Amino acid sequence: DAKTTQPNSMESNEEEPVHLPCNHSTISGTDYIHWYRQLPSQGPEYVIHGLTSNVNNRMASLAIAEDRKSSTLILHRATLRDAAVYYCIKTNNDMRFGAGTRLTVKP
Amino acid sequence: GAVVSQHPSWVICKSGTSVKIECRSLDFQATTMFWYRQFPKQSLMLMATSNEGSKATYEQGVEKDKFLINHASLTLSTLTVTSAHPEDSSFYICSAGQATPSYEQYFGPGTRLTVT
Repeated sequence: DAKTTQPNSMESNEEEPVHLPCNHSTISGTDYIHWYRQLPSQGPEYVIHGLTSNVNNRMASLAIAEDRKSSTLILHRATLRDAAVYYCIKTNNDMRFGAGTRLTVKP
Repeated sequence: GAVVSQHPSWVICKSGTSVKIECRSLDFQATTMFWYRQFPKQSLMLMATSNEGSKATYEQGVEKDKFLINHASLTLSTLTVTSAHPEDSSFYICSAGQATPSYEQYFGPGTRLTVT
């Protein structure tokens, strides 16, 4: 049981920001929040992770709610190459995937 | 970034034979490796967690005698599908990482197994 909830699908226009939500209301104090994405017929790709504070890297930003029960992955300018299934995982070395969000990027 | 390789990338085998899939962390030492299978248009299903030097922990419903996992070193884990049947045809993916400090995992490119 992955115990994270994400919308099944989302759409975005190219070069616009995308906010991908994730609910992890059962998160414990030692669980990290990880995001991965997967293109068809490929293994998942690490995107970003965080514990309590918001995080930024070259791929995305991660905004974590103050109570840590939800988080949002932010792609600042979506490109066609960002079209993928995005998975949010809460983990304490327990790597179970939920259904993820299929992001479609329209040109 | 950390690189994980899998070999082979695809394999076709006959029913009843065994197939071994290798997962290697190329530029880091992985204390933990995970094995997944993925059917078309579905999410990854965790099969087992493998810690270096110890027996793998299998998820409920995964037959440990059918899916043999060995994590003999900090850079190599293998999954052997024994007596494969057509229903074992799937996309098998491994990930490698370190348990601390923050558990991020790096995934291999996957192995497509087709059993005829």
